[in-house]
Amino acid sequence: SQTIHQWPATLVQPVGSPLSLECTVEGTSNPNLYWYRQAAGRGLQLLFYSVGIGQISSEVPQNLSASRPQDRQFILSSKKLLLSDSGFYLCAWSPSDRGLTEAFFGQGTRLTVV
Amino acid sequence: GESVGLHLPTLSVQEGDNSIINCAYSNSASDYFIWYKQESGKGPQFIIDIRSNMDKRQGQRVTVLLNKTVKHLSLQIAATQPGDSAVYFCAEKRSNYQLIWGAGTKLIIKP
Repeated sequence: SQTIHQWPATLVQPVGSPLSLECTVEGTSNPNLYWYRQAAGRGLQLLFYSVGIGQISSEVPQNLSASRPQDRQFILSSKKLLLSDSGFYLCAWSPSDRGLTEAFFGQGTRLTVV
Repeated sequence: GESVGLHLPTLSVQEGDNSIINCAYSNSASDYFIWYKQESGKGPQFIIDIRSNMDKRQGQRVTVLLNKTVKHLSLQIAATQPGDSAVYFCAEKRSNYQLIWGAGTKLIIKP
């Protein structure tokens, strides 16, 4: 069966520090991968998606970047965090032949920038 | 602008009763909708989906209804249980890679 791992679960970082959140998927090949951000009490905002190694699409301009160095690894990064980067970050995957018809989410990372 | 929204931010129901969570959408061209359940501190979990060529779809204890005339969909949960307590999101598929999410409805189960 397929599983998705996202870590860390919580993170407190000072303003101006770098960020690296990692997500890996097991049990499937060539998945579509996604990074979302969720503000408190709100729905999810798509940040990045990837349909293959090295292929990254950005949905919103921001202080963050994403990379996909391996087929089942998706990384969310920042060189210098801002206070506004605080939030709940979620990684998700979906089968490549079905787009986003059935997305499976990781447990999320609660990021607090102080 | 186009959006997917929810009528009620919080819904309280008695344990054992049926729950109905509503969602309105504005893009009449949307052809696919999903309901997700999100428990506190966790990622969303897929519940059920429906395509625009259907008006009803049933799962285990859940039913989604789609009314394209008024651009409205609902999630019905039968015999609500304490484990159903969560925030429920409707989402509209905008492209193969993007879902437009509603704000969510918090379902509270009263004992």
